[in-house]
Amino acid sequence: NAGVTQTPKFQVLKTGQSMTLQCAQDMNHEYMSWYRQDPGMGLRLIHYSVGAGITDQGEVPNGYNVSRSTTEDFPLRLLSAAPSQTSVYFCASSPLPGQGSYEQYFGPGTRLTVT
Amino acid sequence: AQKITQTQPGMFVQEKEAVTLDCTYDTSDQSYGLFWYKQPSSGEMIFLIYQGSYDEQNATEGRYSLNFQKARKSANLVISASQLGDSAMYFCAMREIYNNNDMRFGAGTRLTVKP
Repeated sequence: NAGVTQTPKFQVLKTGQSMTLQCAQDMNHEYMSWYRQDPGMGLRLIHYSVGAGITDQGEVPNGYNVSRSTTEDFPLRLLSAAPSQTSVYFCASSPLPGQGSYEQYFGPGTRLTVT
Repeated sequence: AQKITQTQPGMFVQEKEAVTLDCTYDTSDQSYGLFWYKQPSSGEMIFLIYQGSYDEQNATEGRYSLNFQKARKSANLVISASQLGDSAMYFCAMREIYNNNDMRFGAGTRLTVKP
């Protein structure tokens, strides 16, 4: 199993550009999520999904869109990049609570810089 | 809303000694899970240990144990016999089972193991 994969690993954008961060998992997990990590602030939840076709907002959803058309994929879209979105982005997946151990498995992260 | 507090931005420990990393949490739910993750300088998130809110015994995983005090809402991580490779950021996280299922993180503690 590849686990959780993210592409790209690094990205530089200009203010106002849009892009999609890709996330895929091969563990048949229902739950998937996106976090951003800024220095000194831990991980903050952007959006999450409890299954295909179901998404919801986390703590810091503004400026980001998600969709979940399949169990495997959960892309994160930046509509109009801003310097405040410079961060490291992590995708994660897990079984839903009640389905055994439900720790989240994390992807390797995408380091995004917006100039 | 759930909240996770890690009051120690940085900790030092001598190699081969034990160290305790503090974590307190706030929730009104009765059913939740507590998690610790390690983030080395390479950036990946590594799951260490899990404690369920109904578990009567403290969780242990090798050199890691979780000191769970439910009434005080604390979930401290104890690392025994510290090794140089334990130097990393450590994050405490909580996941409420019936409320959105999302996982929230503390700000983290940077542990440095001295030789």
